[in-house]
Amino acid sequence: EAQVTQNPRYLITVTGKKLTVTCSQNMNHEYMSWYRQDPGLGLRQIYYSMNVEVTDKGDVPEGYKVSRKEKRNFPLILESPSPNQTSLYFCASSPVYSGNTIYFGEGSWLTVV
Amino acid sequence: KQEVTQIPAALSVPEGENLVLNCSFTDSAIYNLQWFRQDPGKGLTSLLLIQSSQREQTSGRLNASLDKSSGRSTLYIAASQPGDSATYLCAVGTEGAQKLVFGQGTRLTINP
Repeated sequence: EAQVTQNPRYLITVTGKKLTVTCSQNMNHEYMSWYRQDPGLGLRQIYYSMNVEVTDKGDVPEGYKVSRKEKRNFPLILESPSPNQTSLYFCASSPVYSGNTIYFGEGSWLTVV
Repeated sequence: KQEVTQIPAALSVPEGENLVLNCSFTDSAIYNLQWFRQDPGKGLTSLLLIQSSQREQTSGRLNASLDKSSGRSTLYIAASQPGDSATYLCAVGTEGAQKLVFGQGTRLTINP
């Protein structure tokens, strides 16, 4: 089954404790991206990757890092989480960016206290 | 800067009605427009993808139209069912930007 898998799905952590949200897709897609969803602000892109070792900032990259060492994986790293990073995070992938349906993971609920 | 607006923010209708959800965008230079469905606590499911050269797409009871010149799209749902209750999101792929710009969504409730 074609899918985008995120882990963890739910996490409560403390300020400053580094964490990684993993994302893996089994569709051999080149393009992957991270979004965060906040009430009143909708979905906003954090980072994206056009292919292995090619990443770039989205609209809200501050406080986040990413890496793309393998085509299937695109982890999101919060080096020093803060309460304003409490959000619902989505990973997405597609064959190439333009003109194709984008597939989303089920989301990761992150609370930073 | 591309901005996407969805009206209304919430809609409640009785089962069986046909309904229309609206989406507008400010920059007509788009690659495509997608409609997604989001259930509570779940991810986004793509419903329909309209390329910039297309005027509409249909899937089952769903029909999406696109008018680039006026910056509008509509999602038509025929014979609504309680299972259609969800939040519907419109997203635009803009030329030159490797991202989707989302509207805030319309929360749809179908009452049995």
